Amino acid sequence: AQTVTQSQPEMSVQEAETVTLSCTYDTSESDYYLFWYKQPPSRQMILVIRQEAYKQQNATENRFSVNFQKAAKSFSLKISDSQLGDAAMYFCAYRSAGNQFYFGTGTSLTVIP
Amino acid sequence: DVKVTQSSRYLVKRTGEKVFLECVQDMDHENMFWYRQDPGLGLRLIYFSYDVKMKEKGDIPEGYSVSREKKERFSLILESASTNQTSMYLCASSLGSREHYEQYFGPGTRLTVT
Repeated sequence: AQTVTQSQPEMSVQEAETVTLSCTYDTSESDYYLFWYKQPPSRQMILVIRQEAYKQQNATENRFSVNFQKAAKSFSLKISDSQLGDAAMYFCAYRSAGNQFYFGTGTSLTVIP
Repeated sequence: DVKVTQSSRYLVKRTGEKVFLECVQDMDHENMFWYRQDPGLGLRLIYFSYDVKMKEKGDIPEGYSVSREKKERFSLILESASTNQTSMYLCASSLGSREHYEQYFGPGTRLTVT
């Protein structure tokens, strides 16, 4: 089974600064998808950004961008101009070609005013 | 917008009780999933379903069963609840097509077994 590793249980960032959350994964597949999900306190999990493995270009969604290094099996999330509303648990996820999803253990992000 | 709803936000049950957690999605998604979320362990897949009446075991199916009689509804059943099943349970759904592959999550059910 694929594994997804988030080595930073907790991170903090000053408001308006930039923070990078790390994620690595282990797979023998060549065709897969990667995601970052955000789970605010007591609120629903929502998709932040997605990346198809066959695309070399890094995905970007407004202040959120990824650094996808396929050979290194690394998929980090960069949040620019951090806002108080970015405080949440962030999960990295891998979707296999067989439509199974694997999640990391999460990184709790605190935004300091 | 896709909407995934779960029957309860909070649930307290006694050891040995049979527990039903229900999930409904309104976007005609083929795939539905049940996870449990525990601190430090992330999300772990219990069961998933690709179609009506179809089910597949995930990573931690022991002590659980599922039912999918209609496309929009996916139920998780704890046949005899135990204290180690106290957890947050998340339901998710997704389309089956390559172009639409992310999961949409429900709000979660926090189950406490005493």
